[in-house]
Amino acid sequence: GAGVSQSPSNKVTEKGKDVELRCDPISGHTALYWYRQSLGQGLEFLIYFQGNSAPDKSGLPSDRFSAERTGGSVSTLTIQRTQQEDSAVYLCASSLDSQGLYGYTFGSGTRLTVV
Amino acid sequence: AQSVAQPEDQVNVAEGNPLTVKCTYSVSGNPYLFWYVQYPNRGLQFLLKYITGDNLVKGSYGFEAEFNKSQTSFHLKKPSALVSDSALYFCAVRSTDSWGKLQFGAGTQVVVTP
Repeated sequence: GAGVSQSPSNKVTEKGKDVELRCDPISGHTALYWYRQSLGQGLEFLIYFQGNSAPDKSGLPSDRFSAERTGGSVSTLTIQRTQQEDSAVYLCASSLDSQGLYGYTFGSGTRLTVV
Repeated sequence: AQSVAQPEDQVNVAEGNPLTVKCTYSVSGNPYLFWYVQYPNRGLQFLLKYITGDNLVKGSYGFEAEFNKSQTSFHLKKPSALVSDSALYFCAVRSTDSWGKLQFGAGTQVVVTP
């Protein structure tokens, strides 16, 4: 597609429920990143995919968080047993190459609210 | 390891005056440097990047930034600010020694008053 697409744009969930956030990167972009932006905070790195593998998942805050990427394209970030502190905007970005020489394109994000 | 510092939480400037948003970085190799802007309830929009070459980089919407290796800085500048430039600005760095992730600064809120 023309840009990075994320869905849903907004998600309200009850504490303890599982949620799935989807990212559809720009076609042909081999690298994909997930970030989290909490209210009034900067961007916190979560995980990086090169193709379907994740060389760096150091930013995942707990084992409740997992992500996968299939077909070198769409990625899903799953949060199990959501907690109120998981409330944030989850941003996805993709880049043409793993070095970012051509820049990184961000989606509009998924605003997650855990009640 | 890599890190980015944006020392100002907020910058206030009158419309028509020069705008500067400061950024310093620390990386173990050579840096790739980026500036992004975020408008309310929107994703990040790319402004400009430094990969190699000329230290002065020109980007979108009249913004420019100067890479200073000795001072490890990459300050964002605009000669004449507009009210519409009011937004949250992020500096980001990636080391050429590493793969993947960008390290972002905490962001600087720019407020341009008429």
